[in-house]
Amino acid sequence: NAGVMQNPRHLVRRRGQEARLRCSPMKGHSHVYWYRQLPEEGLKFMVYLQKENIIDESGMPKERFSAEFPKEGPSILRIQQVVRGDSAAYFCASSPPMVQNTEAFFGQGTRLTVV
Amino acid sequence: DAKTTQPPSMDCAEGRAANLPCNHSTISGNEYVYWYRQIHSQGPQYIIHGLKNNETNEMASLIITEDRKSSTLILPHATLRDTAVYYCIVRPAGIKAAGNKLTFGGGTRVLVKP
Repeated sequence: NAGVMQNPRHLVRRRGQEARLRCSPMKGHSHVYWYRQLPEEGLKFMVYLQKENIIDESGMPKERFSAEFPKEGPSILRIQQVVRGDSAAYFCASSPPMVQNTEAFFGQGTRLTVV
Repeated sequence: DAKTTQPPSMDCAEGRAANLPCNHSTISGNEYVYWYRQIHSQGPQYIIHGLKNNETNEMASLIITEDRKSSTLILPHATLRDTAVYYCIVRPAGIKAAGNKLTFGGGTRVLVKP
């Protein structure tokens, strides 16, 4: 069973371009979480999604950022018109749709560099 | 906001047990204690979690005090590869548990020395 897969692992974008980060959850997992980690800082929650639904986006910046988790395919975190302050590591995690308490597993992240 | 308090850093000797404390004095009855670690900017790695009973797996042991206001993660035989930032997190259980986000605090930076 493959773990959470994120791609690309490294992404370089010029200011003003769009960045698309992909996250494929573990098999059988229907919950996805996105986190951002700025250099030398902690992990900050961004958004939680279930299939085709955004459940909690309390950590998402109000502008330029969006996320989706379609019925088929990976979850996508999209950043429009990137700025240098968007340079960070972006991690996603997934968990299964169980009512009991369960752990979330993280991918290895996408490191975005805006030049 | 994180509901836990951890020392910012600690050292331990290779081969010895590492005991990582965590205070969660405001924990609710339906909240679990989770531990994750992050090795040098890799993705966070799940270690263990528990509600009120002590737990053990192949990686570590989790000791939760009877009043549940604090806990200790024990790495029985620390190796150099255990050098990482360790996060203690409280997270609600229940029907919506699978949807509840993990809120990371500052964690404890553990350095295992030869």
